[in-house]
Amino acid sequence: EVQLVQSGAEVKKPGESLRISCKGSGYNFTTYWINWVRQMPGKGLEWMGSIDPSDSHANYSPSLQGHVTISSDKSISTASLQWTSLKASDTALYYCARQGRTTLGMDVWGQGTTVIVSS
Amino acid sequence: SYELTQPPSVSVSPGQTARITCSGDALPRQYAYWYQQKPGQAPVLVIYKDSERPSGIPERFSGSSSKTTVTLTISGVQAEDEADYYCQSTDSSGSYWVFGGGTKLTVL
Repeated sequence: EVQLVQSGAEVKKPGESLRISCKGSGYNFTTYWINWVRQMPGKGLEWMGSIDPSDSHANYSPSLQGHVTISSDKSISTASLQWTSLKASDTALYYCARQGRTTLGMDVWGQGTTVIVSS
Repeated sequence: SYELTQPPSVSVSPGQTARITCSGDALPRQYAYWYQQKPGQAPVLVIYKDSERPSGIPERFSGSSSKTTVTLTISGVQAEDEADYYCQSTDSSGSYWVFGGGTKLTVL
């Protein structure tokens, strides 16, 4: 079964660092881009960026570049999203999603990781 | 920054046809994608490349494109179709993805 399994929920304080992960299984991890999508409480979907696991080349949303880092480790079929200094406004549900090679749409999604940033 | 515009809400009765639009200047040149998201669940791809349907998606879901507007059509709406629907596309250069603001479909 093709699936993406994300790390568990996190509760952090402003200024703290964080890395959340997304592990792919059931397919060749290096042949599909992985996207990260944010959903703030009660709001819509927002694309944050994507990464090609074959060479770790990443693209970022212009509005978020510099605040987050997307990385991948193909040896463990895992992509990651990290912050060095969290803000309260980073409180959201974060999804990883595979980009289909034929459809080019996001055809497989992780279950989501809730991040709460509060003092 | 590039934006895709969707109506906040659409309401239809069961068995009727729901149409959800998405407008953006680059849509004549870039493909659009549609996702369905039910409460507490991850999104599901229901239409790709404007009008193609992934396997497993019911035939009542279809997509079309005309100039700067793409449309998701759900024929014979069922209660289970009540959800938020998001369009997605890229800016004119294809550099980054953008989602529309989402449309809440209510089945009366």
